[in-house]
Amino acid sequence: GAVVSQHPSWVICKSGTSVKIECRSLDFQATTMFWYRQFPKQSLMLMATSNEGSKATYEQGVEKDKFLINHASLTLSTLTVTSAHPEDSSFYICSALQGASRNTEAFFGQGTRLTVV
Amino acid sequence: AQTVTQSQPEMSVQEAETVTLSCTYDTSENNYYLFWYKQPPSRQMILVIRQEAYKQQNATENRFSVNFQKAAKSFSLKISDSQLGDTAMYFCASAGNMLTFGGGTRLMVKP
Repeated sequence: GAVVSQHPSWVICKSGTSVKIECRSLDFQATTMFWYRQFPKQSLMLMATSNEGSKATYEQGVEKDKFLINHASLTLSTLTVTSAHPEDSSFYICSALQGASRNTEAFFGQGTRLTVV
Repeated sequence: AQTVTQSQPEMSVQEAETVTLSCTYDTSENNYYLFWYKQPPSRQMILVIRQEAYKQQNATENRFSVNFQKAAKSFSLKISDSQLGDTAMYFCASAGNMLTFGGGTRLMVKP
């Protein structure tokens, strides 16, 4: 299957700083990528849909100014957690659709464990 | 709007036996796909099996098969000959406008 690479796999940052997480589709072009947040022992919660060349669509309750998403190319989407606080500590996962159809298979990155101290 | 419900938070099965994980969903879409994803301790999401809603035949992938009941909006996963490596969280998901996940079932395969 297709490969999605997410970097870094883990990061520890100080409260008040910003952290950038990258999501790359390595062997296919992804016009649409998704960013999820996963709390311990819980399911994936969709944060936003990232579309190449346009603004991201955020789910209700997700602060767009806090979670900045940039999808500048067909193979790269970034999530920047700005002014991070301990409550932002979580596991963040990206996924990319291979193909234009919304029903095509989504491939997932390895996830990023963010710890804010 | 889509909703996906997994009613079994945790399940266990003996190695080599068969286990069925339940999933029900609700969607207003006419054309949609259903998925089962596995998330092992590494937390990498892995596609187990996919079902196209317009196909009546149940999907199978080696030891994994589904029982798709469209009218009942039920999509259960059967794992045959369970292996220790099947221990993981399993998520049912529905894809229409977006991919919606169920709450997950933690499966433990016991030796």
